[in-house]
Amino acid sequence: DAKTTQPTSMDCAEGRAANLPCNHSTISGNEYVYWYRQIHSQGPQYIIHGLKNNETNEMASLIITEDRKSSTLILPHATLRDTAVYYCIVRYNTDKLIFGTGTRLQVFP
Amino acid sequence: DADVTQTPRNRITKTGKRIMLECSQTKGHDRMYWYRQDPGLGLRLIYYSFDVKDINKGEISDGYSVSRQAQAKFSLSLESAIPNQTALYFCATSDLVAGGQDTQYFGPGTRLTVL
Repeated sequence: DAKTTQPTSMDCAEGRAANLPCNHSTISGNEYVYWYRQIHSQGPQYIIHGLKNNETNEMASLIITEDRKSSTLILPHATLRDTAVYYCIVRYNTDKLIFGTGTRLQVFP
Repeated sequence: DADVTQTPRNRITKTGKRIMLECSQTKGHDRMYWYRQDPGLGLRLIYYSFDVKDINKGEISDGYSVSRQAQAKFSLSLESAIPNQTALYFCATSDLVAGGQDTQYFGPGTRLTVL
């Protein structure tokens, strides 16, 4: 019952910004947007999360639209090591994570 | 993340055998989780525990049981393994922080094959 819609796959040139979109049109007021990634069968890795405001950390930026119905994860300077499946997850703060199928990002040289 | 460890990392077993997967964490988190991942699919929650005395079923708990031996240890058992339990298993931990936010940190996974 994933509450999000993501493209199945995307490509990005190394060194360029990777912009991964996510639609969550049924998000409720107290639900957060979380992003995780999984690199080739490793354990998923937390990237970033946000509620209303845009967020930035050492890994990425999260841009949430004003109506909160969609968001974009930005990897400012993608590297080959960023090749992974990226999961956008909408959840109330203490709910369990529900992973969809994510976006497979391929970074090429 | 070395703070969450899983043993074994790989296991091959036969149908009907009892298997235990173990998870340990040094993050001091109260909450622990077990997920399974099938090829090409996202993770699905098997069991979770918000503290030592609190165990809850996830979306696919049938055929599995768990034990929370201590704050730092959470084990997953397959009482009688069957081939469709062949999957990648992940343990995760989290803690409720100020503001009600709860970020999960995952172990490296256990690849289980049931023949």
